[in-house]
Amino acid sequence: EPEVTQTPSHQVTQMGQEVILRCVPISNHLYFYWYRQILGQKVEFLVSFYNNEISEKSEIFDDQFSVERPDGSNFTLKIRSTKLEDSAMYFCASRRDRGIGNTIYFGEGSWLTVV
Amino acid sequence: GESVGLHLPTLSVQEGDNSIINCAYSNSASDYFIWYKQESGKGPQFIIDIRSNMDKRQGQRVTVLLNKTVKHLSLQIAATQPGDSAVYFCAENIVGGNTGNQFYFGTGTSLTVIP
Repeated sequence: EPEVTQTPSHQVTQMGQEVILRCVPISNHLYFYWYRQILGQKVEFLVSFYNNEISEKSEIFDDQFSVERPDGSNFTLKIRSTKLEDSAMYFCASRRDRGIGNTIYFGEGSWLTVV
Repeated sequence: GESVGLHLPTLSVQEGDNSIINCAYSNSASDYFIWYKQESGKGPQFIIDIRSNMDKRQGQRVTVLLNKTVKHLSLQIAATQPGDSAVYFCAENIVGGNTGNQFYFGTGTSLTVIP
């Protein structure tokens, strides 16, 4: 069964450092997402991406964040200068289309710990 | 803004009993809903979905009920098993318009199955 894959599974970084989280969405999917989940809290939307551009972003997704689809398979989330409060699980997700019945499928997540 | 919330943050059931997990949503324009299961340290896993033109949908051991009048969603798990222990999230989607491309998640209910 196709799945969304993410790397790394866990990353520890020092405050102020840049981090890139990588994702390979399901191959025939057109919509890509990043979500964040702080420990013990709900899953929060960060950004959606379609047709090589951001289609929506939340207020969490400030200028420190950027996304990119550098080739036909990868989808990355970059945090330019990490803060302690960026520590969370980051989930990549993809969706074949945006119509009703098109489910979002999630990867296993990347744990980011900022120290 | 939109919000999705759960009535009970924790639920403990005996193995073999039925479980009912509830979810309230606030946006009457939401027209597609998904229940996800999240095990510790893993990404949300799709369980079952329902469209707003339905009030009930059944899967394998799971049933989702939708009451649009009171904006309430529930997940029923029959003959709950230890492997069902996880956090369960409901998510709502508004198809169309500027917010049609993302899902809003509830806080989650932690289900513990007692052997």
